[in-house]
Amino acid sequence: AQSVTQPDIHITVSEGASLELRCNYSYGATPYLFWYVQSPGQGLQLLLKYFSGDTLVQGIKGFEAEFKRSQSSFNLRKPSVHWSDAAEYFCAVGSQPRGEYGNKLVFGAGTILRVKS
Amino acid sequence: DTEVTQTPKHLVMGMTNKKSLKCEQHMGHRAMYWYKQKAKKPPELMFVYSYEKLSINESVPSRFSPECPNSSLLNLHLHALQPEDSALYLCASSQHGTPGPLHFGNGTRLTVT
Repeated sequence: AQSVTQPDIHITVSEGASLELRCNYSYGATPYLFWYVQSPGQGLQLLLKYFSGDTLVQGIKGFEAEFKRSQSSFNLRKPSVHWSDAAEYFCAVGSQPRGEYGNKLVFGAGTILRVKS
Repeated sequence: DTEVTQTPKHLVMGMTNKKSLKCEQHMGHRAMYWYKQKAKKPPELMFVYSYEKLSINESVPSRFSPECPNSSLLNLHLHALQPEDSALYLCASSQHGTPGPLHFGNGTRLTVT
């Protein structure tokens, strides 16, 4: 069964500083990886996804992530953080179970990002 | 703006009540999902529908009853809930036959008293 680990529960960065959120996954086959962001009381918004191909993936809002198979990691980065980036970030791995449709998405525990001015 | 619409946004119900959560999408997606999210926790999968048929039930108690009347609508019928069922209930959809991504609604905040 797949699993996702986000080792940092909280991260605080200064506005304008760079950001890296860590994500490690466990999955036997080729993983389908996602980063979502959630503001308080809201749903989840997709930032970016990785299915195959180029291991550096660009997303919305200036975010990017790099897939490293050897490290089983899919870390999220942003070169310069804005105060509006404060939210909770979830890494997720997806699979399509044999004989079934739909994407069985498993989420990490999330990382809460705080931005200080 | 979200392309998956959930109603109501907030719901308070007693343990003897019957209520329903509704979800609608018009993206032509044929897979739809219910997730439950407790405070300070990640979303947990409850049900998956594919082509209006239930394809995954993650051992959810029978007091939660999903229904997919057509390809655009997904309901979650609630009956005899417990206070510990209070949570944010998220609906999502995705294209069929692909490994995602899921498009989420803004959720229904449910409080069981």
